[in-house]
Amino acid sequence: DAKTTQPNSMESNEEEPVHLPCNHSTISGTDYIHWYRQLPSQGPEYVIHGLTSNVNNRMASLAIAEDRKSSTLILHRATLRDAAVYYCILQYNQGGKLIFGQGTELSVKP
Amino acid sequence: DAGVTQSPTHLIKTRGQQVTLRCSPKSGHDTVSWYQQALGQGPQFIFQYYEEEERQRGNFPDRFSGHQFPNYSSELNVNALLLGDSALYLCASSLFGEGGQPQHFGDGTRLSIL
Repeated sequence: DAKTTQPNSMESNEEEPVHLPCNHSTISGTDYIHWYRQLPSQGPEYVIHGLTSNVNNRMASLAIAEDRKSSTLILHRATLRDAAVYYCILQYNQGGKLIFGQGTELSVKP
Repeated sequence: DAGVTQSPTHLIKTRGQQVTLRCSPKSGHDTVSWYQQALGQGPQFIFQYYEEEERQRGNFPDRFSGHQFPNYSSELNVNALLLGDSALYLCASSLFGEGGQPQHFGDGTRLSIL
């Protein structure tokens, strides 16, 4: 299974943009890039996913490098409710199992 | 629209016992995956069920087994419980299909082994 590498922790100020990086140098052509986040005492929450092109939704944007070996989750204006552990995951084309790493713990300061 | 529901929310067992955890998928979903999350770690994939069959399995011993019912709900069974089985067990549902299917998670069952 292909692996991802993320920083253990990051800090942000409220109402500022946040860029969460992820390296996935062993990604294969059919792996989807997913981002989930997990708040304390809750299950992971789907944020966004993509294959090759950049993606936007109401929660965030996903920027994928041209060689697909890295990606960045962008939260446009961080709020206190965005404080969570963010997981970057590669999902194999068939089967759909998610292989979680350690994730990035994001803290947001008022 | 109800999301993924899991029961019970908390459970305490002793070593050697057996446990059954239950999951109802999000309305419209046909695939259920189970994950184990130890304290301070990311979730680890146990197995996935679709059309009442185990489709994929992670690196877990045979003590971990599952079942999916015709209404798409699912059970996770763990036999001969060990102290190391103490964890949060998460159920996730999705639509079966090629690639890119987001999974919707429940809030899990916290299992403690004494």
